[in-house]
Amino acid sequence: DTAVSQTPKYLVTQMGNDKSIKCEQNLGHDTMYWYKQDSKKFLKIMFSYNNKELIINETVPNRFSPKSPDKAHLNLHINSLELGDSAVYFCASRKTGNGELFFGEGSRLTVL
Amino acid sequence: DAKTTQPPSMDCAEGRAANLPCNHSTISGNEYVYWYRQIHSQGPQYIIHGLKNNETNEMASLIITEDRKSSTLILPHATLRDTAVYYCLRSSTTSGGSYIPTFGRGTSLIVHP
Repeated sequence: DTAVSQTPKYLVTQMGNDKSIKCEQNLGHDTMYWYKQDSKKFLKIMFSYNNKELIINETVPNRFSPKSPDKAHLNLHINSLELGDSAVYFCASRKTGNGELFFGEGSRLTVL
Repeated sequence: DAKTTQPPSMDCAEGRAANLPCNHSTISGNEYVYWYRQIHSQGPQYIIHGLKNNETNEMASLIITEDRKSSTLILPHATLRDTAVYYCLRSSTTSGGSYIPTFGRGTSLIVHP
């Protein structure tokens, strides 16, 4: 069983479209994150959710909206996609406290 | 700001020990040091973490200096599959106590035959 799974793994779309990436973890963790890794390989945190509450939004444009229907899921919805949104998006989870992060395999988004 | 400093790249011969340094001179007393690695474009993978004492697991050893201002990740017998970007993190928190796992640029380790 995959601990942190993301879908889709690849997504190619046109500028201006709206798309979503889903993330699910079966580890019983209560904190989940979204990271963006751009072409320069810099891994930047976007959002953090703890028990379905947003606790971090690191100056991400409001076109990005995380949605957490329950503790095991943290989905990322992106409106009005731009070329600069092209990147690999990673979902991660951890248990509150000093637990390690578990990452998904990433979702590669290409905006044309 | 990751608040850690690592060399951008290193190389190591297969079978030899790889020693990856990390500077975290402003680390506070309750902050842990974590190490992760990212192989190609896969999701980062946890390696090891520690607070004060040296730690060892099946993947690596972590040596933390007595003043906790720096640490070294040791891969005792590097293999070609250890070629990856290695990240050193601090478990820094917001003023509200939330943990922000912040990644820096990491060290790109190349293991050669």
